[in-house]
Amino acid sequence: GAVVSQHPSRVICKSGTSVKIECRSLDFQATTMFWYRQFPKKSLMLMATSNEGSKATYEQGVEKDKFLINHASLTLSTLTVTSAHPEDSSFYICSAREGTGLSNQPQHFGDGTRLSIL
Amino acid sequence: AQSVTQLDSHVSVSEGTPVLLRCNYSSSYSPSLFWYVQHPNKGLQLLLKYTSAATLVKGINGFEAEFKKSETSFHLTKPSAHMSDAAEYFCVVTPNTGTASKLTFGTGTRLQVTL
Repeated sequence: GAVVSQHPSRVICKSGTSVKIECRSLDFQATTMFWYRQFPKKSLMLMATSNEGSKATYEQGVEKDKFLINHASLTLSTLTVTSAHPEDSSFYICSAREGTGLSNQPQHFGDGTRLSIL
Repeated sequence: AQSVTQLDSHVSVSEGTPVLLRCNYSSSYSPSLFWYVQHPNKGLQLLLKYTSAATLVKGINGFEAEFKKSETSFHLTKPSAHMSDAAEYFCVVTPNTGTASKLTFGTGTRLQVTL
């Protein structure tokens, strides 16, 4: 089955540092990847849609200069949280859509990254 | 526009008894529907999907769901619960066509399985 690998699984760092999270589709190509944020005991909130070779599309209220997304290849998207602060602490999950990229194709999710900013 | 309502935030069943997790949807377009499961501190795993083919969909781990257009429902069922089924379950809807549509998530149902 389609596998999405997300790394690291957990990060603890000091306030003001930048953190990069990688999302890789291991056995399929993904022109579109998605970045979500999940608060405790809540559903997933879409942050941005990452498109290979072009700029990411951010959801309303998500700071694009704060959350930098790069989708340099068909199997890799990265999310960089710049100058992280305690309020950025959260569970971040990426996903990739398989196949032709049609909306009815399922998204496959990484295992998430638990980010803790001290 | 589309939306998903998961009618129960928490469901508790005994091991070996049936599971029913309810989901109702609203969509302006012909929908695709998915059920995902999330174990603690993990990403989401696809259980099953409906994309306009057979209305009764069988998924992994013995789960199945039935698409009922007249009731706008896509309830998830399993004949016999196992302890390993304890997790958070999300019902998800997206339009059945196009490439730019996002997933709309329900608020989730936490399934508890007791001995």
